[in-house]
Amino acid sequence: GENVEQHPSTLSVQEGDSAVIKCTYSDSASNYFPWYKQELGKRPQLIIDIRSNVGEKKDQRIAVTLNKTAKHFSLHITETQPEDSAVYFCAATRNSGNTPLVFGKGTRLSVIA
Amino acid sequence: KAGVTQTPRYLIKTRGQQVTLSCSPISGHRSVSWYQQTPGQGLQFLFEYFSETQRNKGNFPGRFSGRQFSNSRSEMNVSTLELGDSALYLCASSYTPGGPNYEQYFGPGTRLTVT
Repeated sequence: GENVEQHPSTLSVQEGDSAVIKCTYSDSASNYFPWYKQELGKRPQLIIDIRSNVGEKKDQRIAVTLNKTAKHFSLHITETQPEDSAVYFCAATRNSGNTPLVFGKGTRLSVIA
Repeated sequence: KAGVTQTPRYLIKTRGQQVTLSCSPISGHRSVSWYQQTPGQGLQFLFEYFSETQRNKGNFPGRFSGRQFSNSRSEMNVSTLELGDSALYLCASSYTPGGPNYEQYFGPGTRLTVT
């Protein structure tokens, strides 16, 4: 089955700097890669996702890149703000309806003002 | 649209007891997945239901079970509770289990504490 590794487990950045979180996956047939943000005491929220037919997707200050050959994808947050502080989870699935989303173990991002 | 809702939000149970958690998906969503979240293990998949049928099951013991009703609401049950079952139980809904427009949205979770 799918296995997703996420790095780093913790990340501290200065406000205004960029943050990058990386994930690798094992199943070459995976084709859907969402990212979730979970603030303390809150539910995970879908912030951006990418499907295998594109290599990059942007939404304001966040972007995700996908390298299917290397089987890794990354979340990029630019101009970080204190409200970006949260735990971020990546996930992967074949999106066939027969395989579940498999999550990485999360990255705790702290943005220092 | 209202989001995914879960009840109860908090539960305290004793070892050996059983518990039932409920999840109501977003209106129109027919697929419900359940996850266990613990600090050390992240989000671990329990099972997924679609049209009242379990489609996928994670690597959890048989004490963990679930079902889905015709209105897409889902319940999960844990019998013979153990201390290690203490966790945040999250459900997530999607319109279908997969497909080109697949997206999954989480509920607020049920915090279960086993003493």
